[in-house]
Amino acid sequence: DTAVSQTPKYLVTQMGNDKSIKCEQNLGHDTMYWYKQDSKKFLKIMFSYNNKELIINETVPNRFSPKSPDKAHLNLHINSLELGDSAVYFCASSQEGASGYGYTFGSGTRLTVV
Amino acid sequence: LAKTTQPISMDSYEGQEVNITCSHNNIATNDYITWYQQFPSQGPRFIIQGYKTKVTNEVASLFIPADRKSSTLSLPRVSLSDTAVYYCLVGKRLNNAGNMLTFGGGTRLMVKP
Repeated sequence: DTAVSQTPKYLVTQMGNDKSIKCEQNLGHDTMYWYKQDSKKFLKIMFSYNNKELIINETVPNRFSPKSPDKAHLNLHINSLELGDSAVYFCASSQEGASGYGYTFGSGTRLTVV
Repeated sequence: LAKTTQPISMDSYEGQEVNITCSHNNIATNDYITWYQQFPSQGPRFIIQGYKTKVTNEVASLFIPADRKSSTLSLPRVSLSDTAVYYCLVGKRLNNAGNMLTFGGGTRLMVKP
């Protein structure tokens, strides 16, 4: 199926650990994103990335870094995890320059830091 | 980016029409209005997008007055499966790395039997 897929769906880890969340899209889109949804359900953009530029939301700590091995993948690496990093992380993609008939989101990764 | 304001929650019953209004007083001339739906444990899903007047698709209708300072998402004859959070977004229509969608708190719609 064409989609944006994320792994793992659930991730429980201890404070101070380093973890990665993987994202893959087979839609042929040029641009990928990472969003964070907190306990109050607010969705906040973290990164936007295509092969030309990485745009970072200035509020995102530098412990978070996106890594893109190719156009179809945008992984999220998090160093020195903190309790406040617990949230659901969503990957999304869109076609650069296309009329905005929507971004396609993955189903999310629930990260719990203990 | 234009800020949006929408009700935190709404309740409805099966079979009723639901109208969710979003205020966006600072909408720019070239901004579009887009609505997303999010079910529990899923990512947001595009519902509808419009610029002015009325847009209708198989899922919903979007009403936008002439001043474009607000918009109303209309869901005809809701069912239990329409229980979700609905987000109103305002921004440029073209997708590019610099045009990052910004979501507000959304409206939690609860459809009751």
